[in-house]
Amino acid sequence: QVQLQQWGAGLMKPSETLSLTCAVSGTSLSGYYWSWIRQPPGRGLDWIGEINHAANTNHNPSLESRVTISVDTSKNQISLRLSSVTAADTAVYYCARGRKHFFDYWGQGTLVTVSS
Amino acid sequence: EIVLTQSPGTLSLSPGERATLSCRASQNISGNYLAWYQHKRGQAPTLLISDASTRATGIPDRFTGSGSGTDFTLSISRLEPEDFALYYCQQYGDLPWTFGQGTKVDIK
Repeated sequence: QVQLQQWGAGLMKPSETLSLTCAVSGTSLSGYYWSWIRQPPGRGLDWIGEINHAANTNHNPSLESRVTISVDTSKNQISLRLSSVTAADTAVYYCARGRKHFFDYWGQGTLVTVSS
Repeated sequence: EIVLTQSPGTLSLSPGERATLSCRASQNISGNYLAWYQHKRGQAPTLLISDASTRATGIPDRFTGSGSGTDFTLSISRLEPEDFALYYCQQYGDLPWTFGQGTKVDIK
């Protein structure tokens, strides 16, 4: 079955770079876009950006200048880097499989807290 | 970007009752590319509906999506105890993909 297993640092200081990885199993990376989505505490879901197996990307303009999304097809993994984090970046971060750009499989979520 | 406004913010109902959730878009959603998700605390969201009205695999038929253009509805015909949760709509017709702010369905 399709599984997305994600990991990364959970506690960060302001100005550091957030780094998360999502390992995909049970499906090929090709044929889909793979997204990162976050949910700040008490708020709704925000789409960060997406990548496909050929490393074509789309980003949310609100975060584009700070976001890097990459793919490693040899490991079936996607990664997110978000630079210069602030407290406003505190959120649960999810990776998700985009099928026609709706999301049918999700990772378990990673809580990232930015605090000095 | 397309802004999605969900209403009501909270819906207080009893098990067995019908729930009707609204999602209104700031502009036409091309292709009626709208999805609905259920989100429970501490879990990843679950896809319920795509393309406005196509039920996802394994989703009970008490969940129905409808609508087109700018106005969309998720109906839950008879609420089961496990249906009390947060619900989000999402459009994927135009970049950036966006979500509504959510409707909480809680027990009356």
